[in-house]
Amino acid sequence: QSVLTQPPSVSGAPGQRVTISCTGSSSNIGAGYHVHWYQHLPGTAPKLLIYLNNNRPSGVPDRFSGSKSGTSASLAITGLQAEDEADYYCQSYDSSLGGYVVFGGGTKLTVL
Amino acid sequence: QVQLQESGPGLVKPSETLSLTCSVSGVSISTYYWGWIRQPPGKGLEWIGYIYNSGSANYNRSLKSRVTISRDTSNNQFSLRLSSVTAADTALYYCAGVDTDMDAIDFWGQGTLVTVSS
Repeated sequence: QSVLTQPPSVSGAPGQRVTISCTGSSSNIGAGYHVHWYQHLPGTAPKLLIYLNNNRPSGVPDRFSGSKSGTSASLAITGLQAEDEADYYCQSYDSSLGGYVVFGGGTKLTVL
Repeated sequence: QVQLQESGPGLVKPSETLSLTCSVSGVSISTYYWGWIRQPPGKGLEWIGYIYNSGSANYNRSLKSRVTISRDTSNNQFSLRLSSVTAADTALYYCAGVDTDMDAIDFWGQGTLVTVSS
């Protein structure tokens, strides 16, 4: 069981907006550790989507945005496109584990 | 352009040691820090550990007694050794690089499947 909790799946129609939550605790997100998000398409390497809670690397469309509040973080995708169908993972650090890196369990996004 | 490429055996026997190497091109491994992530079949990503610019390493607590990450700066490579493997260590293993400005994994290898089986 992951330290960071994500919904196993979300779905949306093309053009819609979806959000993926990442719920942690006082020893990780709530302790002030940054949250990053990755997109993982089958058969490919994961791709950094959002870093330091709400920053997009160059080349990532502004349809993707991140936020963080309290012990949780969220990834929002607007104007949903077929190519957004992938697995999404949040990542942070946990002080109870010696500052170790922790991933969420992943969320499968289905574009209807 | 930074590129990472994993290499190593795709099949390891139970109780033996899994060894993988990641060759890095496009940047010196003395820049940033580097590590390994794995994904068991049908499951999510699991952090294995990092080796930092200083050469020190940090490991997933659940694997700490079995894992070693080392680096060879002369060949711009870093390696993973995981001892006493079991079927539970069967996974797609990714080598990865952390951009220290972003504090996030910005570089990934394509991944290599390692199966633990006799």
